[in-house]
Amino acid sequence: KQEVTQIPAALSVPEGENLVLNCSFTDSAIYNLQWFRQDPGKGLTSLLLIQSSQREQTSGRLNASLDKSSGRSTLYIAASQPGDSATYLCAAHNTNAGKSTFGDGTTLTVKP
Amino acid sequence: DTGVSQDPRHKITKRGQNVTFRCDPISEHNRLYWYRQTLGQGPEFLTYFQNEAQLEKSRLLSDRFSAERPKGSFSTLEIQRTEQGDSAMYLCASTHTGGRSYNEQFFGPGTRLTVL
Repeated sequence: KQEVTQIPAALSVPEGENLVLNCSFTDSAIYNLQWFRQDPGKGLTSLLLIQSSQREQTSGRLNASLDKSSGRSTLYIAASQPGDSATYLCAAHNTNAGKSTFGDGTTLTVKP
Repeated sequence: DTGVSQDPRHKITKRGQNVTFRCDPISEHNRLYWYRQTLGQGPEFLTYFQNEAQLEKSRLLSDRFSAERPKGSFSTLEIQRTEQGDSAMYLCASTHTGGRSYNEQFFGPGTRLTVL
């Protein structure tokens, strides 16, 4: 059974700081891994999708990496802004199942 | 393309009543997922459809829950005899199973259910 863990549960940083969010998964037989952003009371917004054959993906100030052998993914946010404040979730999609398994997220607060 | 839509956005009901939620996926997305999310937790998988076929159901989905996707387009999730423990955000996501962005899931805004 796939288990996904995100540590820390909450993170507070000053504006302008670079930061890394962590995602660990127990079953390396994943097809891809997806990072999302969720604002309070809203649905999830897709940020980045990394296929199992890829090592990283970049979009603007965001860079996500994937290391299947160690069961880890990271989301790097450069030059953080108050608008980046949200909960960030990762989801692992297994090759032998149709569903994705989500972590419980890291709630990020960027202080002006 | 207007994205994934869900209706209603909020539903308040009394314990024991039946409720039905609707999800309209992104057009041409052949796969549709239902998730449930409670405060402080990540979404929990409930069920998913490939076109009109329901391929997997979570053990979380008791006999009181049923989902359909007639004609492989919109989907409905019905909860019968609601209980207070059913209070949660119900999320729908859709994706397509082809191309470089295989299974990149796009979510709707969710339906917030409160059972009194």
